[in-house]
Amino acid sequence: DADVTQTPRNRITKTGKRIMLECSQTKGHDRMYWYRQDPGLGLRLIYYSFDVKDINKGEISDGYSVSRQAQAKFSLSLESAIPNQTALYFCATAPRTGVREQYFGPGTRLTVT
Amino acid sequence: AQSVTQPDIHITVSEGASLELRCNYSYGATPYLFWYVQSPGQGLQLLLKYFSGDTLVQGIKGFEAEFKRSQSSFNLRKPSVHWSDAAEYFCAVGSHNTDKLIFGTGTRLQVFP
Repeated sequence: DADVTQTPRNRITKTGKRIMLECSQTKGHDRMYWYRQDPGLGLRLIYYSFDVKDINKGEISDGYSVSRQAQAKFSLSLESAIPNQTALYFCATAPRTGVREQYFGPGTRLTVT
Repeated sequence: AQSVTQPDIHITVSEGASLELRCNYSYGATPYLFWYVQSPGQGLQLLLKYFSGDTLVQGIKGFEAEFKRSQSSFNLRKPSVHWSDAAEYFCAVGSHNTDKLIFGTGTRLQVFP
């Protein structure tokens, strides 16, 4: 089984709808991250969390919110989706200590029409 | 400002040829450096990392990278490319005093038979 899973893998939604993307991990890591990937822009950090009570904004948090329900679960919500939020979304985890390399889920492809 | 530059957006090589993907960084602290690969429809997989010691690091799938502090570079190399290496490659930088990684915009590798 994959260490970092994301659901759904693909989603098409309409403008104005609320949508939640979910991430679960079995790596036992404290750090969890949400990124979006757009062609030519690489990965941009939306939110990150060090534990259940520690949530931090990334460089592009506007229009998004997150919830860290448990050490293993980190959800990303789009309160009112808009077309320019169409992108590939990745969840990642990292250990608390050491080099802190990040481990990525398979991604969620979101299309907002 | 902290940044990572991957100057080559797209590279095409023949199968069996050597490969070098460039990565330059601007970072105030001693860097931790990473290369990730993203195959079509997949998440990012860690190829290799550098944080100290020998400046030539070996990774998975026959890749290696060399850290050159004087040139602020961390170029990825492979002596003989296989068709399965076709993917997008991302360089990233972090450090011991940050929990975030900064990613480059990626280099797409195409391999011709």
